[in-house]
Amino acid sequence: DTGVSQNPRHKITKRGQNVTFRCDPISEHNRLYWYRQTLGQGPEFLTYFQNEAQLEKSRLLSDRFSAERPKGSFSTLEIQRTEQGDSAMYLCASSAPGNTEAFFGQGTRLTVV
Amino acid sequence: AQSVTQLDSHVSVSEGTPVLLRCNYSSSYSPSLFWYVQHPNKGLQLLLKYTSAATLVKGINGFEAEFKKSETSFHLTKPSAHMSDAAEYFCVVGHSGTYKYIFGTGTRLKVLA
Repeated sequence: DTGVSQNPRHKITKRGQNVTFRCDPISEHNRLYWYRQTLGQGPEFLTYFQNEAQLEKSRLLSDRFSAERPKGSFSTLEIQRTEQGDSAMYLCASSAPGNTEAFFGQGTRLTVV
Repeated sequence: AQSVTQLDSHVSVSEGTPVLLRCNYSSSYSPSLFWYVQHPNKGLQLLLKYTSAATLVKGINGFEAEFKKSETSFHLTKPSAHMSDAAEYFCVVGHSGTYKYIFGTGTRLKVLA
């Protein structure tokens, strides 16, 4: 068990480009969450998967954002036509069935220039 | 609706003196409450959690928190601060159905030599 893994750790992209992040949860964790953390703020919930089903999306998740979790294992978060306001740390977390405790990855820091 | 308020954005203590980080929550039902710590360039680490068992919760690294329903508080304490405790601390309330987290805005703890 190596914990929640996120790749890449850092991403610098030009405004208007598309980016994709990957999250590998702890094996056998059925729930997976994406959060966004901007400088000086606490993480904010973006979306949540139970197995492969995306069960909830925050209104923070505009149409330019899409997340998938094929086969209920790893997840990807794609941002299309990036904007400077998308610059943030994107955090992934997973939790086991019946357990309220979430384990977080180290995040992907996105900088849009 | 659930919410979390961290009453201090910054706290400074001298090494060896007690630490108190304050958190108030709002929840329409019995909440799950957590404290997480975030060191620079590191992932979020769980310090402790309250899930309706004992109201005094002990966590890692000598931290503890007391759930006070009448005051809707979940303050984090440590008897004696160590330099390595300097970090950002987040109080979190967990949603009972989806287990998504609602984070406070964080308290930055500074430990003075």
